[in-house]
Amino acid sequence: KAGVTQTPRYLIKTRGQQVTLSCSPISGHRSVSWYQQTPGQGLQFLFEYFSETQRNKGNFPGRFSGRQFSNSRSEMNVSTLELGDSALYLCASRPGQGVFYGYTFGSGTRLTVV
Amino acid sequence: QQQVKQSPQSLIVQKGGISIINCAYENTAFDYFPWYQQFPGKGPALLIAIRPDVSEKKEGRFTISFNKSAKQFSLHIMDSQPGDSATYFCAASMGGGSQGNLIFGKGTKLSVKP
Repeated sequence: KAGVTQTPRYLIKTRGQQVTLSCSPISGHRSVSWYQQTPGQGLQFLFEYFSETQRNKGNFPGRFSGRQFSNSRSEMNVSTLELGDSALYLCASRPGQGVFYGYTFGSGTRLTVV
Repeated sequence: QQQVKQSPQSLIVQKGGISIINCAYENTAFDYFPWYQQFPGKGPALLIAIRPDVSEKKEGRFTISFNKSAKQFSLHIMDSQPGDSATYFCAASMGGGSQGNLIFGKGTKLSVKP
């Protein structure tokens, strides 16, 4: 069973540009969440999508957005990049129903803003 | 009230020893407490999780101890091995693990010396 796949693995962007990251969840998982990981702030929740609808959103500016497609694949977009957006962006999926199901994380996309 | 406080920040243990990592929370609405293990270049992987209706859960060499009244939980790694060297994150959420975002601790970097 394939895991959570994130592409690309590495990105270098210039301040002011925008970027789109992609995530393919585990087959059958309908919930996809995004987290930002930095050395200073640790793992912080960005947003969660379930059946193409945003179900929950973290405390990030509007420059951070996402969407989910009918096949549960998800993308997140960051516009007007700032140096502080440099981070590891992690996607996680879970079935989305029932109780006591944990997330399965992908290996992340390492974004560097220069 | 949404924070999860994790200690210590780093831990060095001899091979065969016991590694203990502690976490504390404030929000009594949390009902799902997982531990994640992260190796360099990888996303966090679910190690073990517990609900507040039990005080202890064991899976192999890994044990979660949960103290509901103190709002604390801890991870014990018995017979620690060099392969256990990784960063460990505790987390908490509401919704039984099937919904609700995870609030992560800041992480503990564990080094197991041979």
